Amino acid sequence: AQSVAQPEDQVNVAEGNPLTVKCTYSVSGNPYLFWYVQYPNRGLQFLLKYITGDNLVKGSYGFEAEFNKSQTSFHLKKPSALVSDSALYFCAVRDLLGGSYIPTFGRGTSLIVHP
Amino acid sequence: ETGVTQTPRHLVMGMTNKKSLKCEQHLGHNAMYWYKQSAKKPLELMFVYSLEERVENNSVPSRFSPECPNSSHLFLHLHTLQPEDSALYLCASSLDSSGNTIYFGEGSWLTVV
Repeated sequence: AQSVAQPEDQVNVAEGNPLTVKCTYSVSGNPYLFWYVQYPNRGLQFLLKYITGDNLVKGSYGFEAEFNKSQTSFHLKKPSALVSDSALYFCAVRDLLGGSYIPTFGRGTSLIVHP
Repeated sequence: ETGVTQTPRHLVMGMTNKKSLKCEQHLGHNAMYWYKQSAKKPLELMFVYSLEERVENNSVPSRFSPECPNSSHLFLHLHTLQPEDSALYLCASSLDSSGNTIYFGEGSWLTVV
């Protein structure tokens, strides 16, 4: 089975500073990787995905992620954090279950941006 | 607005009650999902439907019963639940089950008393 790991339960960053939320993956074959964000009391929202092509993927709200095959990582980044970016961030990988491709999610990382 | 609507947003039920959660998607998708999100636990996939047929039942207790009458609607029927079933239940949909992006509803907060 494919899997992702998010090694940090929580990331703290000051507003205006760059942020990184880490994700590593374990897959056989080429990975389909995703990032989602969950604001308080809301469902998950799609941010960006990597399937193939350019290793730097740009997504919503100024976020981007870099696919690194040698390090099996897909870290989420933003050059300048906003307080409104504070949320729960999930990395996901496409997995094959029962003949269907299903996203398997990491445990999530809570991002807290301090004013 | 994600195009996936869940009702009710909040539900409190007793352990002997029977209730249902409803999900409707307006995206023209053919696959729908139920996930359970509990505090301090990873997202748990419960059920997957593709073209109205169940393709994955992730070892969910029988007190949870899904129903997919058409590709736009998905229900989760609840009966004789336990307090540990209290959680956020998330519905999602995708174009198909080939690994495309899935889109989530806002969730239904369930409290079992």
